[in-house]
Order: sequence, then C-alpha cells, then structure tokens
Amino acid sequence: AQKITQTQPGMFVQEKEAVTLDCTYDTSDPSYGLFWYKQPSSGEMIFLIYQGSYDQQNATEGRYSLNFQKARKSANLVISASQLGDSAMYFCAMRERNDYKLSFGAGTTVTVRA
Amino acid sequence: GAVVSQHPSWVICKSGTSVKIECRSLDFQATTMFWYRQFPKQSLMLMATSNEGSKATYEQGVEKDKFLINHASLTLSTLTVTSAHPEDSSFYICSARVSRDQNEQFFGPGTRLTVL
Repeated sequence: AQKITQTQPGMFVQEKEAVTLDCTYDTSDPSYGLFWYKQPSSGEMIFLIYQGSYDQQNATEGRYSLNFQKARKSANLVISASQLGDSAMYFCAMRERNDYKLSFGAGTTVTVRA
Repeated sequence: GAVVSQHPSWVICKSGTSVKIECRSLDFQATTMFWYRQFPKQSLMLMATSNEGSKATYEQGVEKDKFLINHASLTLSTLTVTSAHPEDSSFYICSARVSRDQNEQFFGPGTRLTVL
C-alpha cells in the first residue's frame, strides 16, 4: 500500500503568492516523522522541513510551513511569498519509528511564474 | 549542515561494463547509508540500506548480485552496477544518517548513469 500520497503532479504559482502542496500518509505506527524535500533540476535533494508525530505545533522554517493535521493524516507544505527559485519538484516523505527508511511520495512539480 | 558527496556526478558506459559510484560523508561519520534510484520525473525508490561493516539490506525486487554495495568505513559506501544494461540508466542518489536518533538524512548530489 502507498504510504505517502501526493495527488498534485504539477502546479503553477504566481511569484510572491503562496502555494500549498498536498501530502497524505498512511501508517499505524504512533511514532513517525514527516519530511519535505525540494529537488531542483540539478537533482540534489534539499531538506526543507520536518514534523514529528508528537509535535504539538506545526513546523515552520522561514517561508516554509507544514500544516499538520494528524487526524486526517495530512502534512501539507505551504510555501509563502513564492520566488522564481522555488521552481522545483517537491517530495513528501515519512519515516516510521521501527523503520528508519524514508518512504517518498510521487512528488509535485512547482513552477513559479514571474 | 552535513555534507555528502558522490562521485562521479555523471557517467556514460557501454552495455555489459560495470560502474562504481562512491558516496562519502565529508564532515561526519555515517552509521547508515542508503542508495536510491530515480527515473525521470518519478519518485526516489530505495534500493538498499548499508551499515558500516555489515552486508547491505536490499529492498524487494532489487538484485543484490547486480547492485553490489560495500560500506567499508563510516564515511564511504560504494554502489557497483555490474554488467550494466540500458535499463539501468537512471539517477542514483545516496543519503547518510548519523545515528538512529537523527531525524534527518543527508543526501548526496546524485550520479546520473547512462548505459549505451
């Protein structure tokens, strides 16, 4: 079964606007971690933000924030004030307590328009 | 932040030859390294997990005799694609984890393999 689902293959956003990337996950483990990575065309994986399953507050890192809705099993990434350099593929990933491996979603390609 | 390097960054080889890809943690010791494969516009698929000094653990469907992984030290893991074929052409990415308590994996820049 798919552990991480990203339903948006591609999105366009206007420069300076905010964009929300959807991510839902499936696990029966009460302890897990959720990650978002950015992959520009160069291919490197850039860590953006992390949310632990027991964290009380939504994670934020600069222009990135994670909208964590535990009951819905969703961990959407919000990018505020989009910049041209934000154009890239974005991956949601999960690590479960008993398994240190990361499971990745299919990814969402974001294109920021000037 | 921690830095992971990969070498080479890209390689073109003939069908039937073997290719070795190196993954190094430059400023930390990695207890565990992971190898992923990514086809164009697709997600990262974990191939195997390697711990220093022990045999790698391969994911289901990954041929261990074809993708040889060696984790000889806490800073170096190598992936050898043996008898490469055009269908092995892909982007190979490694990542490294410092310890079990470390949430984050640090990724290398990837190696693009093209088999002619």
